[in-house]
Amino acid sequence: LAKTTQPISMDSYEGQEVNITCSHNNIATNDYITWYQQFPSQGPRFIIQGYKTKVTNEVASLFIPADRKSSTLSLPRVSLSDTAVYYCLVGDTEGYSTLTFGKGTMLLVSP
Amino acid sequence: NAGVTQTPKFQVLKTGQSMTLQCAQDMNHNSMYWYRQDPGMGLRLIYYSASEGTTDKGEVPNGYNVSRLNKREFSLRLESAAPSQTSVYFCASSRLEPGQGETGELFFGEGSRLTVL
Repeated sequence: LAKTTQPISMDSYEGQEVNITCSHNNIATNDYITWYQQFPSQGPRFIIQGYKTKVTNEVASLFIPADRKSSTLSLPRVSLSDTAVYYCLVGDTEGYSTLTFGKGTMLLVSP
Repeated sequence: NAGVTQTPKFQVLKTGQSMTLQCAQDMNHNSMYWYRQDPGMGLRLIYYSASEGTTDKGEVPNGYNVSRLNKREFSLRLESAAPSQTSVYFCASSRLEPGQGETGELFFGEGSRLTVL
C-alpha cells in the first residue's frame, strides 16, 4: 500500500522559497499525488495535484520525478500566513487506506 | 457558496450516549467521506461513500455507523459514545469516485468537535 513519509516540521522566514518533500515508494501506477494545507481549527484545503513531471498553479508548484517515488511541494516567497500543516496524499487505487492523511509537515514561517 | 456544511460544530456527550453528526454538500459531488483528527495526528478515514446508496469502511470504522441519505447528505452516528471517540470530525466530498487513483479535490467542512466524558 502506498504510504507517505514527510518531515515532521520545517522552519522558514518570510520571502523565502520552501520545498517540502514527500516520499511514497510504493505508489501505484494510476495514483495521483495531492497536497493539502490545514490551519488550526479548519478543515484541510486543496493546494495542488499532479501525476508526473511538474504542475504549477497560482499558489504552488509540484515536482514529481520520473520514478514517482517522491514529490516536492514548492511554495514561492512564503509569508506568515503560510504557517500551517501540509499533507501529502497519494491516490487510492490500492484502497481506502491511501485516503488517510499522514501526520503532515508543520511549517512555521517567521518574520 | 456553502460547500460542505457540518452540524453540530461542538458537542459534549456522556459515555454511552448516542448522537449523529450531519453533513451536507451542495456541489452535486458523488463521493463523501468522514474523517477524525486527534491532537498531533493526521486525519484518519472512518467511512466513505462512493455514491448514493453505498458506504464502505475506512481505516477506523469501529464504533461508528453511517448513512448516505441522498446525494447531498452523509451522516455519522455514534451509537454508544466512548471517551476514545473524543476528536474533531471532518466531513469531505469529492466530484470523483474513490478507487480511480485520481481523488480530485476533496472539499472539507469546518469540523465538529466532540468531547465524550
